[in-house]
Amino acid sequence: AQSVAQPEDQVNVAEGNPLTVKCTYSVSGNPYLFWYVQYPNRGLQFLLKYITGDNLVKGSYGFEAEFNKSQTSFHLKKPSALVSDSALYFCAVRDRSGAGSYQLTFGKGTKLSVIP
Amino acid sequence: NAGVMQNPRHLVRRRGQEARLRCSPMKGHSHVYWYRQLPEEGLKFMVYLQKENIIDESGMPKERFSAEFPKEGPSILRIQQVVRGDSAAYFCASSGRTGVEGETIYFGEGSWLTVV
Repeated sequence: AQSVAQPEDQVNVAEGNPLTVKCTYSVSGNPYLFWYVQYPNRGLQFLLKYITGDNLVKGSYGFEAEFNKSQTSFHLKKPSALVSDSALYFCAVRDRSGAGSYQLTFGKGTKLSVIP
Repeated sequence: NAGVMQNPRHLVRRRGQEARLRCSPMKGHSHVYWYRQLPEEGLKFMVYLQKENIIDESGMPKERFSAEFPKEGPSILRIQQVVRGDSAAYFCASSGRTGVEGETIYFGEGSWLTVV
């Protein structure tokens, strides 16, 4: 079985400061990892994904994430937060192999608030 | 290039009525997924379909819920005899291929079902 943990329900950060949204995962094999963002009453927008290769993945809107296999983590980061980054962020994992490998398993989400 | 299209965006049903949610995948995509988001929770996988085939419905409630993706037309998620607990956001997603090099799944804007 695969699972995702986002240990923080909410993260507050001042505008212009760096931000980190944490994610750890559990899969039986090797993972595909994804970050999505959801604005109020909207769908999920794809931000970035890790498939293989470089552990640092760059995505949309200046976000990046670092895959750490030993810590089974995939934290989302941005060097300088914007008020417009305030939203709900979801980490998701998909096992590379085995039955149900197409299923995305999501964390419960982290609400990011960027304070002007 | 249109994304995943869902309608209706908002739907109100009385207990016992039927709800039908429609989803047109992104152009060129032939794989459709339905997820449900309950308040204060992440997304939960419901069903995965290809044209005229249900591949995996392991996340669907055993009763009252059904899904189809006909040869022509959108995918339909059908909920019969709705109850208050069915109130949720239902998201459709699509992808071009499955399980190949971490194919990205793209989400629609969601259909918000309220049962009164």
